[in-house]
Amino acid sequence: DVKVTQSSRYLVKRTGEKVFLECVQDMDHENMFWYRQDPGLGLRLIYFSYDVKMKEKGDIPEGYSVSREKKERFSLILESASTNQTSMYLCASSGGAGQHNQPQHFGDGTRLSIL
Amino acid sequence: GENVEQHPSTLSVQEGDSAVIKCTYSDSASNYFPWYKQELGKRPQLIIDIRSNVGEKKDQRIAVTLNKTAKHFSLHITETQPEDSAVYFCAAANAGKSTFGDGTTLTVKP
Repeated sequence: DVKVTQSSRYLVKRTGEKVFLECVQDMDHENMFWYRQDPGLGLRLIYFSYDVKMKEKGDIPEGYSVSREKKERFSLILESASTNQTSMYLCASSGGAGQHNQPQHFGDGTRLSIL
Repeated sequence: GENVEQHPSTLSVQEGDSAVIKCTYSDSASNYFPWYKQELGKRPQLIIDIRSNVGEKKDQRIAVTLNKTAKHFSLHITETQPEDSAVYFCAAANAGKSTFGDGTTLTVKP
């Protein structure tokens, strides 16, 4: 069974801090994704990656960056955290090489609060 | 970019009744349409998906239909049970990038 592990379930940070959210998958998936989930807004794509050291902007990339140095790990970075980034963050992975449209496997999420 | 609209936002049914959730999408290049179920406090999980070369797919009590011409697809759950209560998300994907609907909260009353 695919396992996507996010480093923290709950995280509290202060405005202006640099915040790192880590995600690791164990199924050798090529594709990895970061979403934020807010009530009534569904899942909105922040960034995604099809390969190591590769990244693509999603629909709401402003204020975020990502890093993928190893295939199994995809990190989301909040460069200078702001209160409007308080949210649930979900990581997902899918598919092998060239297999883009495949079911996504999600982590348990990180509930991030910015004070 | 792609825009996905999902209706209704909330749906309440009696146990044993059917439930239907509808989604429309805007980008005719989208070719993969998954549905995810998210129980309270848990991760979203795939329940069924359909690709653009298929019009209908069924898995036990769950079915999905796709109308490419009208750019809409629907989730049908028959003989609903209390454990079907959850938030359901549709998505439309092209080249691996998925756009999700806002979700439907389904409540099945015993």
